Amino acid sequence: NAGVTQTPKFRVLKTGQSMTLLCAQDMNHEYMYWYRQDPGMGLRLIHYSVGEGTTAKGEVPDGYNVSRLKKQNFLLGLESAAPSQTSVYFCASSYSRLTEAFFGQGTRLTVV
Amino acid sequence: AQSVTQLGSHVSVSEGALVLLRCNYSSSVPPYLFWYVQYPNQGLQLLLKYTSAATLVKGINGFEAEFKKSETSFHLTKPSAHMSDAAEYFCAVTNANDYKLSFGAGTTVTVRA
Repeated sequence: NAGVTQTPKFRVLKTGQSMTLLCAQDMNHEYMYWYRQDPGMGLRLIHYSVGEGTTAKGEVPDGYNVSRLKKQNFLLGLESAAPSQTSVYFCASSYSRLTEAFFGQGTRLTVV
Repeated sequence: AQSVTQLGSHVSVSEGALVLLRCNYSSSVPPYLFWYVQYPNQGLQLLLKYTSAATLVKGINGFEAEFKKSETSFHLTKPSAHMSDAAEYFCAVTNANDYKLSFGAGTTVTVRA
């Protein structure tokens, strides 16, 4: 039972490069989320999805795009990475908005 | 809008002592409240949740939290700290009108031998 799996776990990018973070869940959850975690700021929601084919903006969406072509996968893209996007990124999924969210192990991204 | 304030970014306790982490929330409608724990280099995992049933909620690893509407609080306690409790703890809130879970800034717990 894998739960929520994120790849990669670590990445270093140069400013201006692009990359995609992959999140996969095996719990048949409708809701999926991408958060970023920065020291002293808790977790801030980047984008979320309430089902296959749907996405919506969260608190800090600028510089990121997402796609949910399959129910089990939620991709986060950085088109042109900036040093301000250096962070730890977490994917999460839940059965509904009001139930427990299950988190992946995180992706530590450094943009130089 | 909903929000969470965690009082104290760092808490240091002796092994065997009481752990008390403070969380105050703001929500325009009845809240759903959660405490999550994050161990170093790991994701978050649920400790406990309040969903309008009993006001005293028991969670994993001996933690519990009490919902107090009059004080808009949801403080987390554990009677006797263990070395394995060293971690970062997050309080979070959502409600039926909002699309997201709002997190506090987190409290790092250090346990002294």
